[in-house]
Amino acid sequence: AQSVTQPDIHITVSEGASLELRCNYSYGATPYLFWYVQSPGQGLQLLLKYFSGDTLVQGIKGFEAEFKRSQSSFNLRKPSVHWSDAAEYFCAINTGTASKLTFGTGTRLQVTL
Amino acid sequence: NAGVTQTPKFQVLKTGQSMTLQCAQDMNHEYMSWYRQDPGMGLRLIHYSVGAGITDQGEVPNGYNVSRSTTEDFPLRLLSAAPSQTSVYFCASSPRGGNTEAFFGQGTRLTVV
Repeated sequence: AQSVTQPDIHITVSEGASLELRCNYSYGATPYLFWYVQSPGQGLQLLLKYFSGDTLVQGIKGFEAEFKRSQSSFNLRKPSVHWSDAAEYFCAINTGTASKLTFGTGTRLQVTL
Repeated sequence: NAGVTQTPKFQVLKTGQSMTLQCAQDMNHEYMSWYRQDPGMGLRLIHYSVGAGITDQGEVPNGYNVSRSTTEDFPLRLLSAAPSQTSVYFCASSPRGGNTEAFFGQGTRLTVV
């Protein structure tokens, strides 16, 4: 069975600093990969996704992620964090044709001013 | 467009009671899913549907029932509520599976006492 690991439960960064959130997956092939963001009391919003092609993908709000097949990773990055980026971030995979996402446990981002 | 609408937003149930969480989407999406979100566990798939009349179980289906009589609606039924079902429930829809984005509702926070 597939799985997603987000090793960092909670990360604190200063506004303006760079950010990297880690995501590793376990699956026998390359899955469809997603990053979602959840603001407090809200649903989830898609930041970006990868399924083939260029391994560096750009998303909304200035986020990007890099797929590394050799490391089974799909880390999320942002060069300069804004206070409004404080939220919970989820990495997710889909391994089939149905809409069945497997999520990581999430990373809560706190931004200090 | 309203997107994915969940009702109610909050609910308190007594152990043994039954209830239905409503989910409706106005995007004519074929795929719909229900997830539950628990602290430290991310989101886990309860049930999903790939079209009207077609449903299947996800990772944690016990204690829940679904049906899909129309493209727009995908209600989740709790047959006999238990404290272990205290959670935040999210409904999602997508035009198809695989690499497509899932659109999430705002969630229903359910407490079973």
